[in-house]
Amino acid sequence: AQSVTQLDSQVPVFEEAPVELRCNYSSSVSVYLFWYVQYPNQGLQLLLKYLSGSTLVESINGFEAEFNKSQTSFHLRKPSVHISDTAEYFCAVSGQGGSEKLVFGKGTKLTVNP
Amino acid sequence: ETGVTQTPRHLVMGMTNKKSLKCEQHLGHNAMYWYKQSAKKPLELMFVYNFKEQTENNSVPSRFSPECPNSSHLFLHLHTLQPEDSALYLCASSQEWLGLVFEQFFGPGTRLTVL
Repeated sequence: AQSVTQLDSQVPVFEEAPVELRCNYSSSVSVYLFWYVQYPNQGLQLLLKYLSGSTLVESINGFEAEFNKSQTSFHLRKPSVHISDTAEYFCAVSGQGGSEKLVFGKGTKLTVNP
Repeated sequence: ETGVTQTPRHLVMGMTNKKSLKCEQHLGHNAMYWYKQSAKKPLELMFVYNFKEQTENNSVPSRFSPECPNSSHLFLHLHTLQPEDSALYLCASSQEWLGLVFEQFFGPGTRLTVL
């Protein structure tokens, strides 16, 4: 069975500071990895995904995540955050073992302060 | 309409009421999902439908009854709910191929309050 661990439930940072949201997963099969973002009173939106190929994936709004197979991690980073990045971020994993489910982490609440 | 839509966006109901949540996906996907998101709890997968067939029921109480008449529509029928059922109910869809899911697309959710 797969599982996802997001170690930090809340991450407060100042505007223009760098941020890293951590995600570790466990799986006995090859995986696909995702980061979703949820703004207040909205559903989840896909931020970026790793399916295959380059281990570094980027989003259109400056976030990036790197798939590290040896450390079973998929940490999300941004070099300079904005107030508008305040949201909850969810890491998710989908296995290639025949399950149609995504397994989600508990989420990390990112708060960007002026 | 594009993506995944959910109606109503907000719902307040008493414990003796019967109501239904509706989800519609305009993406041509073949799998649909109901999730429950409560405050301070992780996202809980409730039901999975693949090609209109229910493939997963995560020990959800019988007061929640899903219905999937076709691959574009998904309903969640509610009756005799409890206050602890108050939550954001999210619908999602995906294209499942040979058991693989590449990503799920979510609707905006229905905020349910049970009095």
